[in-house]
Amino acid sequence: DAGITQSPRHKVTETGTPVTLRCHQTENHRYMYWYRQDPGHGLRLIHYSYGVKDTDKGEVSDGYSVSRSKTEDFLLTLESATSSQTSVYFCATRGGGLTYEQYFGPGTRLTVT
Amino acid sequence: TQLLEQSPQFLSIQEGENLTVYCNSSSVFSSLQWYRQEPGEGPVLLVTVVTGGEVKKLKRLTFQFGDARKDSSLHITAAQPGDTGLYLCAGPNNAGNMLTFGGGTRLMVKP
Repeated sequence: DAGITQSPRHKVTETGTPVTLRCHQTENHRYMYWYRQDPGHGLRLIHYSYGVKDTDKGEVSDGYSVSRSKTEDFLLTLESATSSQTSVYFCATRGGGLTYEQYFGPGTRLTVT
Repeated sequence: TQLLEQSPQFLSIQEGENLTVYCNSSSVFSSLQWYRQEPGEGPVLLVTVVTGGEVKKLKRLTFQFGDARKDSSLHITAAQPGDTGLYLCAGPNNAGNMLTFGGGTRLMVKP
């Protein structure tokens, strides 16, 4: 258990509004990830961070931005939410080592109406 | 691009039955991981296999990494309703900075 919390856990928002999801970890892990999970698509990587202020895009980054100003916090922002961004969002962390194991948060269910 | 394909996609069995699910790729992975995800929760790491041919056991679950490190299997003996969930395999990309996930096997064990 990497002590990962996500907030909010559920959110309903309207199309066109900005949304920020927060991921907080207590394990001082270097790497942090944002995924979305949709039926038929599995887990898809949105963005990841390999250190404070160091981020990179994943496979489905369009429409999303991230920021990491502290080791423990990784924010995911939808600048202008669309219905296609309705999904369950998971944050994950990875510590050091060569086995690349990731530890996931409980998820945020986002509905864009 | 390294892809992982899992089969079957869905599996519904009775309590007490045995089952095997598969994770296959045409690419070599340095390691593979198995996660289980229950409804409304995030995936939880079950095991990591690293060496080709490696077999790891976790109670009634047996994990095997293929000799060529391109595939893995998960065998469950005497399945129980508590084994119900989505089973995901994942492996690191060549740069080691992200994981590739398979599409998952959704298992339902009926009492």
